[in-house]
Amino acid sequence: KQEVTQIPAALSVPEGENLVLNCSFTDSAIYNLQWFRQDPGKGLTSLLLIQSSQREQTSGRLNASLDKSSGRSTLYIAASQPGDSATYLCAVRGSQGNLIFGKGTKLSVKP
Amino acid sequence: EAQVTQNPRYLITVTGKKLTVTCSQNMNHEYMSWYRQDPGLGLRQIYYSMNVEVTDKGDVPEGYKVSRKEKRNFPLILESPSPNQTSLYFCASRGFSGANVLTFGAGSRLTVL
Repeated sequence: KQEVTQIPAALSVPEGENLVLNCSFTDSAIYNLQWFRQDPGKGLTSLLLIQSSQREQTSGRLNASLDKSSGRSTLYIAASQPGDSATYLCAVRGSQGNLIFGKGTKLSVKP
Repeated sequence: EAQVTQNPRYLITVTGKKLTVTCSQNMNHEYMSWYRQDPGLGLRQIYYSMNVEVTDKGDVPEGYKVSRKEKRNFPLILESPSPNQTSLYFCASRGFSGANVLTFGAGSRLTVL
């Protein structure tokens, strides 16, 4: 059964730092991997989606990488800002179509 | 605007009183899904639907029902709610072509007393 783990569970950094969030999964037979952002009490916003055949995707200050063979993905955030404070979730999609979520990394960027 | 709409956004009810949380999407997506989110447990899938009249259980289907009579709607039904169903519920949808990005609704916070 696919399991998705995100480390660390929480992270606090000063504004301006570059940071990396980690996501690992146990079954490398994935269809794609998606990174989401969730603000407190709100829904999930899709940030980046990486297909299984891709190595990385970029959007603005965000870069997500995927190493399927080792079961890992990273989300890199450049020049962090207080507005980046949120919980970041990764989710992997298996061949059956359902998404398995990690429990998230709660990021706090201090001014 | 392309979106997934859930209603109600907030609901307080009592044990045993049947309720329905509606979900509607305007993107002509084939796939729709319901999740619940609980502290320490993350997001867990309740039911999903690959298309009209096709539904399947997710990881935590007990106590819930769904139906998919139309492509745009995927209601979640709690026939006899219990306090352990107090949670934050999310509906999501995606298409089968293109980027396959999963789009979420804003969430429905349900409290069962």
